[in-house]
Amino acid sequence: QVHLVASGGDLVKPGGSLRLSCAASGFTFGDQYMAWIRQVPGRGLEWLAYVGTTGSTIYYADSVKGRFTISRDNAKNSLYLQMNGLGAEDTAVYHCATLRPYWGAFEYWGQGTLVTVSS
Amino acid sequence: QSALTQPASVSGSPGQSITISCTGTSSDIGTYNLVAWYQLKPGKAPKLMIYEVSKRPSGVSHRFSGSKSGNTASLTISGLQPEDEADYHCSSYVGSDDWVFGGGTKLTVL
Repeated sequence: QVHLVASGGDLVKPGGSLRLSCAASGFTFGDQYMAWIRQVPGRGLEWLAYVGTTGSTIYYADSVKGRFTISRDNAKNSLYLQMNGLGAEDTAVYHCATLRPYWGAFEYWGQGTLVTVSS
Repeated sequence: QSALTQPASVSGSPGQSITISCTGTSSDIGTYNLVAWYQLKPGKAPKLMIYEVSKRPSGVSHRFSGSKSGNTASLTISGLQPEDEADYHCSSYVGSDDWVFGGGTKLTVL
């Protein structure tokens, strides 16, 4: 059974940094594309970034390009999101998910971790 | 990319059918047959319900179906059940390794 657990969410001041982690189990992590998606409370979802199976293919949404860095460690079955230059608009629940690129869909999701940016 | 447009809420009684619309543009839904629908419930991980407009992942009930016409995609839930009460979000691939989501629709089962 696929299990994704995101962690690392916290209260951070504007301009601060945070690193999120996602622990994966129940599937062959190294065979799956992985992505980060966030949801501002009461609003829609927003795709942020995805990384290919080896980590060499990476794409970002324009809203986070240059500030966020996605990475993965297949030996540790883990996905990461380094977030720098955080602003109030980054306050959201951050989910990790597997991506099926040919489906154009995010297949399995974790519950998410809350990031709050406030002074 | 602008967000896809969904109704804020829909409702139905048990046993009825409801349809949630998701309106985009000729640059997203109108071009790509890569529309997906997700079910979000409080305290649970989001769940993929429909991909590639109308395909159901393994384990998703046949009561859920998807379709598309022009720039608008739709999710239909037939034989509504209390456990279907949730938020439903649509998404579309928009090319150049980018995706856009709708604002979400709250489904209430009366």
